[in-house]
Amino acid sequence: QLVLTQSPSASASLGASVKLTCTLSSGHSSYAIAWHQQRPEKGPRWLMKLNSDGSHIKGGGIPDRFSGSSSGAERYLTISSLQSEDEADYYCAAWDDRLNGPVFGGGTKVTVL
Amino acid sequence: EVQLVQSGAEVKKPGESLKISCKGSGYSFIDYWIGWVRQMPGKGLEWMGIISPSDSETRYIPSFQGQVTISADKSTTTAYLHWTSLKASDTAMYYCARLDVAIVGIDYWGQGTLVTVSS
Repeated sequence: QLVLTQSPSASASLGASVKLTCTLSSGHSSYAIAWHQQRPEKGPRWLMKLNSDGSHIKGGGIPDRFSGSSSGAERYLTISSLQSEDEADYYCAAWDDRLNGPVFGGGTKVTVL
Repeated sequence: EVQLVQSGAEVKKPGESLKISCKGSGYSFIDYWIGWVRQMPGKGLEWMGIISPSDSETRYIPSFQGQVTISADKSTTTAYLHWTSLKASDTAMYYCARLDVAIVGIDYWGQGTLVTVSS
């Protein structure tokens, strides 16, 4: 069964960097994932598709401060030069053919100090 | 510009029916599947099901099969999520989302429709 695991929270100071982790369940380490951002009281926004080799495709208008990388079953989202508007929940998701749709991680709440 | 614009918030009583909408614009509506996602208060995102607007083929995840109906009208480029008998546990924010096979996932989201079911 495909499961994506995220830490519930992360924080960093304004202007610093934060690295979020999404861990794929056993047997799924080759899966690509997507990162989505959900600001408070807003709908989600697709940030990027991240492949197992670390290559990624970003959505239109996503700043260069957002980057992705991969290592084994872990997928990372790094936000550099944190801005106040980056305070949001970040969800990873991977496509599950059995569901004909994505499985979402539980989300990581990023706080900008 | 691709947009998915959803209908406004709804307050309903248990047992009532409801249909919410998601209007797509800025792209060829029939070329992309549309999915629905539930977000219960204070919780994460849950996939519900998808529809192909070109032929209205639908696929539901088991936990939502029989609980909701997804439909689409390609003449008005609008997708729908329908309940025949709402329950208090249906209280949630509902998002529609466009699926792009090129990225094997969601590339655009609607702004969400809040559904509140309370007696």
